[in-house]
Amino acid sequence: DTAVSQTPKYLVTQMGNDKSIKCEQNLGHDTMYWYKQDSKKFLKIMFSYNNKELIINETVPNRFSPKSPDKAHLNLHINSLELGDSAVYFCASSQGRSAGATDTQYFGPGTRLTVL
Amino acid sequence: GQNIDQPTEMTATEGAIVQINCTYQTSGFNGLFWYQQHAGEAPTFLSYNVLDGLEEKGRFSSFLSRSKGYSYLLLKELQMKDSASYLCAVRDRGGSYIPTFGRGTSLIVHP
Repeated sequence: DTAVSQTPKYLVTQMGNDKSIKCEQNLGHDTMYWYKQDSKKFLKIMFSYNNKELIINETVPNRFSPKSPDKAHLNLHINSLELGDSAVYFCASSQGRSAGATDTQYFGPGTRLTVL
Repeated sequence: GQNIDQPTEMTATEGAIVQINCTYQTSGFNGLFWYQQHAGEAPTFLSYNVLDGLEEKGRFSSFLSRSKGYSYLLLKELQMKDSASYLCAVRDRGGSYIPTFGRGTSLIVHP
């Protein structure tokens, strides 16, 4: 009964390719997120999404795009992969603002992307 | 945005107590989180503070002083399995409502 799951766990690909990472949550949460964690372990928000609102970190290149077929899924598409995209990508979910103060985030296991 | 500062690395002895500090600057504070992240794994929630004072949860406690822009995570009776990275995250009252993470403190517990 995994709460937040991601596939694949590892992704090795060539520069210039297009790839997708899938994320699913079975917690009934309203909000999902994508984070990038670089080699220095800095966890940086990329996107936040619920069924009403997409919030984009303005520093994220437009080669990255989130796609949400329904409330339980938020996939990450990456076009024209570059060497600097190599990192661990974490999906997360939370109940959202309506849940009240805490709104704890639950993280998926991460996808380690290596661009060669 | 927030400016969050934590020590990069700390070491401690099994059975001891360690305090991991986090300082932050934000225009509209709306909560501080501590997460634990073991190597190669996902961050997991430890604690949340929004009012001043100490929140205790078993061996872990978290303290907040909003006027000083300061928090600490206190780990008692350290165990080897506590070796991990500890991430401080601050939420702002501003539009996005998304916590911003610090770079994390890598804690090494040795026998």
